[in-house]
Amino acid sequence: GAGVSQSPSNKVTEKGKDVELRCDPISGHTALYWYRQSLGQGLEFLIYFQGNSAPDKSGLPSDRFSAERTGGSVSTLTIQRTQQEDSAVYLCASSRDRGRRDIQYFGAGTRLSVL
Amino acid sequence: QQQVKQSPQSLIVQKGGISIINCAYENTAFDYFPWYQQFPGKGPALLIAIRPDVSEKKEGRFTISFNKSAKQFSLHIMDSQPGDSATYFCAATFSGTYKYIFGTGTRLKVLA
Repeated sequence: GAGVSQSPSNKVTEKGKDVELRCDPISGHTALYWYRQSLGQGLEFLIYFQGNSAPDKSGLPSDRFSAERTGGSVSTLTIQRTQQEDSAVYLCASSRDRGRRDIQYFGAGTRLSVL
Repeated sequence: QQQVKQSPQSLIVQKGGISIINCAYENTAFDYFPWYQQFPGKGPALLIAIRPDVSEKKEGRFTISFNKSAKQFSLHIMDSQPGDSATYFCAATFSGTYKYIFGTGTRLKVLA
């Protein structure tokens, strides 16, 4: 498909386990964003990639969270030693470039449940 | 100062009615205001956006009204339809950043 693809769509894990969430952006999009959507909350910015570089990691809530992007395409968000408060929908978006008015296209998200 | 405050949290409208969602901001540097629509199980999708140099933008049944002096903007959905039932997010950003600041969302239900 031509849209942003995220996998898995749902992930249930036990507290203390590590999880990896994957994002395949739209082909040719250089900018990639991760957001977190908690119940009753808006979209919380986590991290931004321009190519393979992450100039802004300011939204990562703790050092248990990390992300990488390889080949200017696929990105992986890793959460180590998951906690119950990490339960949320993790959304990935991509845009053609980093211009603020470039439309951000979102994937359907990964719903993470930490038991 | 980076927040965008959105209201109401939820909204129920009869079919054919007008749905109105409001957002307010403090940071006068914001200069681009998109609205996103999210259906259950889907990611948000851009619905309509406005710059502060215009007071209104209309696309079909969807209109953004912008009040720069009051630092408020709102989404109006005319002739609301059951298919409009979704969560709506306002957002704001400014020159020199790529980051969108999102409101907390409004869950709209249009009754048939």
